[in-house]
Amino acid sequence: QLVLTQSPSASASLGASVKLTCTLSSGHSNYAIAWHQQQPEKGPRYLMKVNSDGSHTKGDGIPDRFSGSSSGAERYLIISSLQSEDEADYYCQTWGTGMGLFGGGTKLTVL
Amino acid sequence: EVQLLESGGGSVQPGGSLRLSCAASGFTFTSHGMTWVRQAPGKGLECVSAISGSGGSTYYADSVKGRFTISKDTSKNTLYLQMNSLRAEDTAVYYCAKDDGAAISFFDYWGQGILVTVSS
Repeated sequence: QLVLTQSPSASASLGASVKLTCTLSSGHSNYAIAWHQQQPEKGPRYLMKVNSDGSHTKGDGIPDRFSGSSSGAERYLIISSLQSEDEADYYCQTWGTGMGLFGGGTKLTVL
Repeated sequence: EVQLLESGGGSVQPGGSLRLSCAASGFTFTSHGMTWVRQAPGKGLECVSAISGSGGSTYYADSVKGRFTISKDTSKNTLYLQMNSLRAEDTAVYYCAKDDGAAISFFDYWGQGILVTVSS
C-alpha cells in the first residue's frame, strides 16, 4: 500500500537551513512526489516535484532557497536562509493508479 | 495566468446537499486532470475526488463514495462536486487543484478554498 510518512514537526533558526523528509512506503521507492507549502490561514501552494533521481521542477515564483533531492525511498525538501515567512505546514504528495495521496504534513517552526 | 475560483460552500444540516463549483482559467481545461482536496479543521490534506482531463475517469475516496459526484463542464471551464447525504465529518475547507497533466498526478495550482460546514 502506497503511504507517505512525514515527521509531524521540525524547527530551525532564522537564516539557517532545514531539510524536511518524506518517506515512501516499501515497494514504492521509484515514485516521484510533490511538495506543497501551507502558510497559516492560507491555502496550499505548490513548491516543486521531486523525482526518484533527485531532479526537481519548481513551481512559478518559488525562490532559489527552496530545493529538492532524493535518496532511496526518501524525498527531501531543503530550505536555506530560512525566513520568518517559511514558517508553515509542508505536505508531500504522490499519485498512483487513481487519486493523489498526501503525507501527514510537517509543521516547520522558524526560531 | 492560471486561476481557480471555488464557490458554492456554506452551512447545511446533516443529510443535506451542496454543489461546489470551481471556475478555471488560464489553461486548456480538457488537457488537465482536476482534484477536490479537503482539510478538516486542524487536520491535514485529504484527496476527496478526482477527474481526468477528458472526464472519462473519475475517482473517489472511500469516505465519500456513493455520496459525492465529480463532474466537469468543458464549455464553461468549470469543475463541480455534488455532495449529498452530508455528514458532520464532511465539515472542511474544500480546495480544487489542477493536475500537471491529463491523468491524475501532482497538483501545480490550487484554488483559494471554500468552507463547508455540516451542523444541526
